Amino acid sequence: EAGVAQSPRYKIIEKRQSVAFWCNPISGHATLYWYQQILGQGPKLLIQFQNNGVVDDSQLPKDRFSAERLKGVDSTLKIQPAKLEDSAVYLCASSRGMGYGYTFGSGTRLTVV
Amino acid sequence: GENVEQHPSTLSVQEGDSAVIKCTYSDSASNYFPWYKQELGKGPQLIIDIRSNVGEKKDQRIAVTLNKTAKHFSLHITETQPEDSAVYFCAVLGGADGLTFGKGTHLIIQP
Repeated sequence: EAGVAQSPRYKIIEKRQSVAFWCNPISGHATLYWYQQILGQGPKLLIQFQNNGVVDDSQLPKDRFSAERLKGVDSTLKIQPAKLEDSAVYLCASSRGMGYGYTFGSGTRLTVV
Repeated sequence: GENVEQHPSTLSVQEGDSAVIKCTYSDSASNYFPWYKQELGKGPQLIIDIRSNVGEKKDQRIAVTLNKTAKHFSLHITETQPEDSAVYFCAVLGGADGLTFGKGTHLIIQP
């Protein structure tokens, strides 16, 4: 099966600019996750979708981050405006459902200068 | 929320020797414990997982053990090879929340 697709692979922006990341999960996977991985750390959950509904967004900085999964398939994550501390790899993962193993994409490496 | 501690942060072993990485967690209701391997420039890849009704699981050279009473689980890699060099993450799932990850172990296989 095709894996989790993410784009772009790399992005460099100036602080206060906006940026968007895209994720296409494995076909049929109902659950989609966005994680933030700062260099040298483990991934940290930002938001979890079940189909097109949000299950958990308690760790999403909602003043600047937003995410949607309108048709229950693809998802976008947006940052507006970006801060220096947002520099990280943004990972998308999907699973058949909660309690099943995740498949991660290769991530988008964001550098904010 | 869940708190996951992972040790050591760096582990260097001779090729052919065994490697052990340990994790502890805080929420006794957690019921799913996967291990991920992450190579440079790639996303984490699931290598083995265990559920709370099982004490040990093995897949060729890798194994995971779980002690629910003590709330810790370990990854064991035997007969290590150069391609095992990577960063390994433990993770814990409890309830409806997403996985909580440890901080990672950088495994170095010395030739």
